[in-house]
Amino acid sequence: GAVVSQHPSRVICKSGTSVKIECRSLDFQATTMFWYRQFPKQSLMLMATSNEGSKATYEQGVEKDKFLINHASLTLSTLTVTSAHPEDSSFYICSARSTGAETQYFGPGTRLLVL
Amino acid sequence: GESVGLHLPTLSVQEGDNSIINCAYSNSASDYFIWYKQESGKGPQFIIDIRSNMDKRQGQRVTVLLNKTVKHLSLQIAATQPGDSAVYFCAENAVNTGNQFYFGTGTSLTVIP
Repeated sequence: GAVVSQHPSRVICKSGTSVKIECRSLDFQATTMFWYRQFPKQSLMLMATSNEGSKATYEQGVEKDKFLINHASLTLSTLTVTSAHPEDSSFYICSARSTGAETQYFGPGTRLLVL
Repeated sequence: GESVGLHLPTLSVQEGDNSIINCAYSNSASDYFIWYKQESGKGPQFIIDIRSNMDKRQGQRVTVLLNKTVKHLSLQIAATQPGDSAVYFCAENAVNTGNQFYFGTGTSLTVIP
């Protein structure tokens, strides 16, 4: 149980394009999903917290207009990197937590490379 | 945010030996902690958790110790195996940070066959 998927697993795009990453909880309902970013050999940096049906809460220093988050259902949250630039290249990981639970379960991550 | 992005410390152990991975956390109000294992190119995988009303919890081949006085957490892996090679993160959670998890620096464990 507690499986979280991400799609795509890997994406390469040109600078200036937008990229959408999906995060799905497959066998539970996730009232809260989290988006993290991870650079090579570094820790996970929380970008934003996404609650179903409401606006996401962004961490300090994360541009909400650059990283659009939509949590439209209890099993799906999307992160759209708008007008991507090479410095946005990173490993993006989502996690999901069900109602009343504390433990987060992580997706496999999406590697984004912006050329 | 409270998570810190620093370059990973490393730990090398001989196969069969015990491993101890340490983590210092920052928020004295943190009341729930999780250890995650992350293999290269994959998302973090839950290993074991502990609440602040406990100081020790054991799982299969793993033990987590919590010292709230000095805000320190450790993960002990018994009889370390090559498959244990990965990066290990501790994550802390507190009501006063919106019940979000913030990750420690992480430790890269390499098991030498």
